[in-house]
Amino acid sequence: AQSVAQPEDQVNVAEGNPLTVKCTYSVSGNPYLFWYVQYPNRGLQFLLKYITGDNLVKGSYGFEAEFNKSQTSFHLKKPSALVSDSALYFCAVRDIDGRKNNDMRFGAGTRLTVKP
Amino acid sequence: DTEVTQTPKHLVMGMTNKKSLKCEQHMGHRAMYWYKQKAKKPPELMFVYSYEKLSINESVPSRFSPECPNSSLLNLHLHALQPEDSALYLCASSQGASGANVLTFGAGSRLTVL
Repeated sequence: AQSVAQPEDQVNVAEGNPLTVKCTYSVSGNPYLFWYVQYPNRGLQFLLKYITGDNLVKGSYGFEAEFNKSQTSFHLKKPSALVSDSALYFCAVRDIDGRKNNDMRFGAGTRLTVKP
Repeated sequence: DTEVTQTPKHLVMGMTNKKSLKCEQHMGHRAMYWYKQKAKKPPELMFVYSYEKLSINESVPSRFSPECPNSSLLNLHLHALQPEDSALYLCASSQGASGANVLTFGAGSRLTVL
């Protein structure tokens, strides 16, 4: 079964600095990978996804992520953080070779705090 | 319309009550999902409907009963719940059932069981 790990519960950065939120995955075949963001008392909002092709994926609000097959990673990055980026970030994976191809598995989440 | 609408936003119920959570989307999506999210935890999949048929039930207790009356609506019927069932219940939809599809989430229904 597919799984995803987010090794950091909390990431703190200063406004204007680059940010990275880490994610590693485990699947039996090839992965579909996603990043979602959740603001307080809200549902999850889609940021970006990797399906195939270019390893660098660009998404909403200036976020990007790099797929690294050898390291089984899909880290989320942004060159210059904003205070408004402070939120809970979830990495998610689906195994395209799995029978349960409807089943999206989420990581534990990383709380990003951007300080002015 | 690019939203998933969930009602009610907040629900407080006793352990003997019967209530329902409702979810609606008008994006033409053919897959709909219920997730349960406890505080500071990731969403956990409960049910998946694909083309109005239940395709995944993640061993959810029978006190939770899903229903998909049509392609735009998804209900979650609640009966005899326990206090540990208190959580944020998220509905989501996607265009199709395959793995590449992005899920669009509603804002959630926050359930408190007394």
